[in-house]
Amino acid sequence: DGGITQSPKYLFRKEGQNVTLSCEQNLNHDAMYWYRQDPGQGLRLIYYSQIVNDFQKGDIAEGYSVSREKKESFPLTVTSAQKNPTAFYLCASSVESNTEAFFGQGTRLTVV
Amino acid sequence: DAKTTQPPSMDCAEGRAANLPCNHSTISGNEYVYWYRQIHSQGPQYIIHGLKNNETNEMASLIITEDRKSSTLILPHATLRDTAVYYCIVRVLASGYALNFGKGTSLLVTP
Repeated sequence: DGGITQSPKYLFRKEGQNVTLSCEQNLNHDAMYWYRQDPGQGLRLIYYSQIVNDFQKGDIAEGYSVSREKKESFPLTVTSAQKNPTAFYLCASSVESNTEAFFGQGTRLTVV
Repeated sequence: DAKTTQPPSMDCAEGRAANLPCNHSTISGNEYVYWYRQIHSQGPQYIIHGLKNNETNEMASLIITEDRKSSTLILPHATLRDTAVYYCIVRVLASGYALNFGKGTSLLVTP
């Protein structure tokens, strides 16, 4: 089935460790996005990428890093510099940056 | 992108129409109105979008006022599965612009 897949669904890490969240899509979409959601809040944009090997910071990029080496993949690394990493992380993709976005089911990261 | 204002919560009886309002008084001429919804602990789902004409699809209808300063999403026959947070977003339909989500409206459909 075509779609966008995030893994794992739940992730636990110790404070001070870097962790990488996976996002893969087989929709042949050019643009991909990472959002963070905290309880009772809307989504906030972390990073987005319009094409392979190119990405831009969103509103809350500090403490995060991304790569876009392949069209299908846009992994997000939560570094130890991110002060409050516990959150629900959502990945999305679209044909171009100007069309309907399709979201994955999210990864809930808990840092203890 | 223009900011939007939505009521934090609404109730609707099952089978009735759910009318979700959105104010976007600073919208620019080249900005579209998008609606997404998010069922608890899932990724958001696209519903509909429009520029100035009313739009309808299998999920909902979008009514945009003539001055484009507000819009209403209509779910014609709400079901319990429509209980979700609904986000109204305005954005330029051009490359380089991502969706900016606010807090949305939490819609509760009751039996």
